[in-house]
Amino acid sequence: DVKVTQSSRYLVKRTGEKVFLECVQDMDHENMFWYRQDPGLGLRLIYFSYDVKMKEKGDIPEGYSVSREKKERFSLILESASTNQTSMYLCASSPLGQKNTEAFFGQGTRLTVV
Amino acid sequence: AQKVTQAQTEISVVEKEDVTLDCVYETRDTTYYLFWYKQPPSGELVFLIRRNSFDEQNEISGRYSWNFQKSTSSFNFTITASQVVDSAVYFCALSAPSGGTSYGKLTFGQGTILTVHP
Repeated sequence: DVKVTQSSRYLVKRTGEKVFLECVQDMDHENMFWYRQDPGLGLRLIYFSYDVKMKEKGDIPEGYSVSREKKERFSLILESASTNQTSMYLCASSPLGQKNTEAFFGQGTRLTVV
Repeated sequence: AQKVTQAQTEISVVEKEDVTLDCVYETRDTTYYLFWYKQPPSGELVFLIRRNSFDEQNEISGRYSWNFQKSTSSFNFTITASQVVDSAVYFCALSAPSGGTSYGKLTFGQGTILTVHP
């Protein structure tokens, strides 16, 4: 079974803390993505990566950074968490170059910043 | 710019009713891909279907069917004889070259919350 695994289902952090959300995929996919899901807004792309150490900003990168040191792992970093970053975060992966393939998603991390 | 609109925020039906979820998209690309995903309460998005822009054939899979019409830029999803297990959030998504450096990026609609009552 193909899998995208996010390290935590639920997280509670304090304002100003540095937060790491981890994502691992076992499908040898080149592309990895971080989305944020909010009610009424759907999923919005924060960052994506198409290769190790390569990254591109998505639609809402402010307040976030990412790290991809290994092909299978893509980390989302909140440098100084704020309450408006309380949300559901979803990681996804897909193979590069296959134009019609779907993305595979993790189970999501629900982050609460207090 | 790319955009996906799911105008129905919430739909509530009684079991065995048919229900249609609407999806309208915008893109300037001539080649693109459309997707539907289901998000049950567990949180993980589950892929349901993909359709490329050159294939306007409707598709049926069991109780699910999809109607793709380029003329109206719509890709609607119908569940026939709905069941309680169909209760979930459903997302329509678009992948196109102008949306990024690779086809992997998806632009999502706002999602439709479907509740099926017994």
